[in-house]
Amino acid sequence: ETGVTQTPRHLVMGMTNKKSLKCEQHLGHNAMYWYKQSAKKPLELMFVYNFKEQTENNSVPSRFSPECPNSSHLFLHLHTLQPEDSALYLCASSQDANVDYGYTFGSGTRLTVV
Amino acid sequence: GQNIDQPTEMTATEGAIVQINCTYQTSGFNGLFWYQQHAGEAPTFLSYNVLDGLEEKGRFSSFLSRSKGYSYLLLKELQMKDSASYLCAVRDSEAGSYQLTFGKGTKLSVIP
Repeated sequence: ETGVTQTPRHLVMGMTNKKSLKCEQHLGHNAMYWYKQSAKKPLELMFVYNFKEQTENNSVPSRFSPECPNSSHLFLHLHTLQPEDSALYLCASSQDANVDYGYTFGSGTRLTVV
Repeated sequence: GQNIDQPTEMTATEGAIVQINCTYQTSGFNGLFWYQQHAGEAPTFLSYNVLDGLEEKGRFSSFLSRSKGYSYLLLKELQMKDSASYLCAVRDSEAGSYQLTFGKGTKLSVIP
């Protein structure tokens, strides 16, 4: 365990389903991130929350909706996804998004959209 | 924008030394990270360089040349467990929130 826990580890959903991914960290970090990792592509930053405030939204389709109720928890709500959204979704945290710290990643949720 | 290039795959022999290169173009360079990712697992932090030169940490070393936009990760005394993907990531202070931009990763296979 890295200190960042993601659930579920695997998820299969239909295109009309609604599901949520959960990320939890107890490292005392104040910044949390969602990344998408597709085969043969770089990790793509989706969302950044710093002190519970969303600071970045990298042109992510509205079918992905993040929620950060507190600095320890981060959710990614999914609805009406497309098969091309199948990927590994990684959550990460860091002490602060605006200073010089590296990330701690969770193990990811492997999402398959059918 | 940013562009980060690293080889897609490499193969090396157990006990040998391997060097994984990473080149980048960025406008507001603020540090370079190397992460290791085993299949199905979280990426884990290996090294961080912000100044030119070599950082050594056990069997792993990382080098940075800011003027050349170049870094390498050096793995010595390779072990089978070193088979993994190695991700190069650059922090760009002009990209917003000091976010990390990742390369596609280099899949290293260590063979007996």
